[in-house]
Amino acid sequence: EAAVTQSPRNKVTVTGGNVTLSCRQTNSHNYMYWYRQDTGHGLRLIHYSYGAGNLQIGDVPDGYKATRTTQEDFFLLLELASPSQTSLYFCASNRDWGGSAETLYFGSGTRLTVL
Amino acid sequence: GQQVKQSSPSLTVQEGGISILNCDYENDMFDYFAWYKKYPDNSPTLLISVRSNVDKREDGRLTVFLNKSGKHFSLHITASQPEDTAVYLCAADTNAYKVIFGKGTHLHVLP
Repeated sequence: EAAVTQSPRNKVTVTGGNVTLSCRQTNSHNYMYWYRQDTGHGLRLIHYSYGAGNLQIGDVPDGYKATRTTQEDFFLLLELASPSQTSLYFCASNRDWGGSAETLYFGSGTRLTVL
Repeated sequence: GQQVKQSSPSLTVQEGGISILNCDYENDMFDYFAWYKKYPDNSPTLLISVRSNVDKREDGRLTVFLNKSGKHFSLHITASQPEDTAVYLCAADTNAYKVIFGKGTHLHVLP
């Protein structure tokens, strides 16, 4: 069974704070994604990557950086957190053969609150 | 603009009825189409998917229909049950692996 692990599960920070969300997958997948989920907006793609050292811009990248240090690890960085970044964040990985929209494996999510 | 659009934020269906969830898309290059189910504070789980060379796929009570000329795909759930109550997200992708989701439709199945 494919595994995607996110940490922390919950995080509270203050405006201007520095936050790092972590994601590790043990699926040997090349593709990894960061999404944010907000009521009325569904899942919006922040950044994604197709391998160590690679970074692709998603649809809502402003205020976020990401880094893919290894095939397994993908980090989302908020260097100056703002209340608008309060959200539920999901990491996902994807195999690189066959379908793609049909083969996403999601982590359990990180709920971030920016006060 | 929104590339994958679910125009109905909510849908209410009586138990035993058919739930029809709709999704429209803009990008002619989308090649893979999927439906995910999501409970509050849980991660999405894949329900059913199709590739663009197929216009219909069935799996138990679920059927996905793809209309490429109309840039539209839908999910039909027959014999809807209260446990089907959840948010349903449609998703699409080219083979470039940028997977885009709709905003979701909250399905309520009334007992």
